[in-house]
Amino acid sequence: EVQLVESGGGLVRPGGSLRLSCAASGFTLSSFWMHWVRQAPGKGLDWVSRINSDGTTTSSADSVKGRFTLSRDNAKNTLYLQMNSLRAEDTAVYYCARGGAITGALPYYWGQGTLVTVSS
Amino acid sequence: EIVLTQSPGTLSLSPGERATLSCRASQSVTSSYLAWYQQKPGQAPRLLIYGASSRATGMPDRFSGSGSGTDFTLTISRLEPEDFAVYYCQQYGSSPYTFGQGTKLEIK
Repeated sequence: EVQLVESGGGLVRPGGSLRLSCAASGFTLSSFWMHWVRQAPGKGLDWVSRINSDGTTTSSADSVKGRFTLSRDNAKNTLYLQMNSLRAEDTAVYYCARGGAITGALPYYWGQGTLVTVSS
Repeated sequence: EIVLTQSPGTLSLSPGERATLSCRASQSVTSSYLAWYQQKPGQAPRLLIYGASSRATGMPDRFSGSGSGTDFTLTISRLEPEDFAVYYCQQYGSSPYTFGQGTKLEIK
C-alpha cells in the first residue's frame, strides 16, 4: 500500500525558514516523480513544485521560485521541501503526492498533509 | 500558465440525481492531461479521473470524465450520500500544473 507521511510543519515568523519532509513507503521512491501541493485555510488547491525520479530536474510555481527548494533522498525514501523567506501567504496545509506510473506529472497518491503557519 | 475555470461554484442536488461539473481551460490542455479530484472536509484530495476520461484505481463507475482541448466534464451518474464534497480539476500537461478553483457539490 502506498503511504506518504508529511512532517515538519509548524509556526514560523515571516522571513523565516522551514523544511518539510515526506516519508514514502509501499513503493520504490526512486521510480517516481514527486510533487508538493498546498491549500490555504478554506481555499482551493495550489500546485507548488515537482521533482523528477532521480532528482535532476525540478519545476515550481512562480510564487515560490527562488524561495522553495525541492530535493529527495531515494536511499532514505524521503522527499524534502526547503522553504525560505516565508510569507503570510505561504500559510497552508502542504501535501506531498506521488506521480503516476506512466505520467509523472500527475499527482496520483497523496499524503494527509502538514500545516505551515507563517505569522508574527 | 493555463487557467482553469470550474462551473458552477456550488451545485445543489439530491441523492440519486445526476451531477455535471464543468472545467474550462484558457488554452488547449496537452494530450488531454486533465484530472479530477474529490476532497471531503479534513481529508486529502483523492484522484478520481485522469487523462480526461480514465478512472483511477478503485473509483466507482458512476464517475466518468469526458472532453478534450479546452472543455472538460465530470459526470456522476447517480449521486450517493458519500459523493457530496468539493471537486477540483487539474491540468498536468504543462508546468505549472494548475488547478481549478473547485465546485462544491452539496445536498439539496
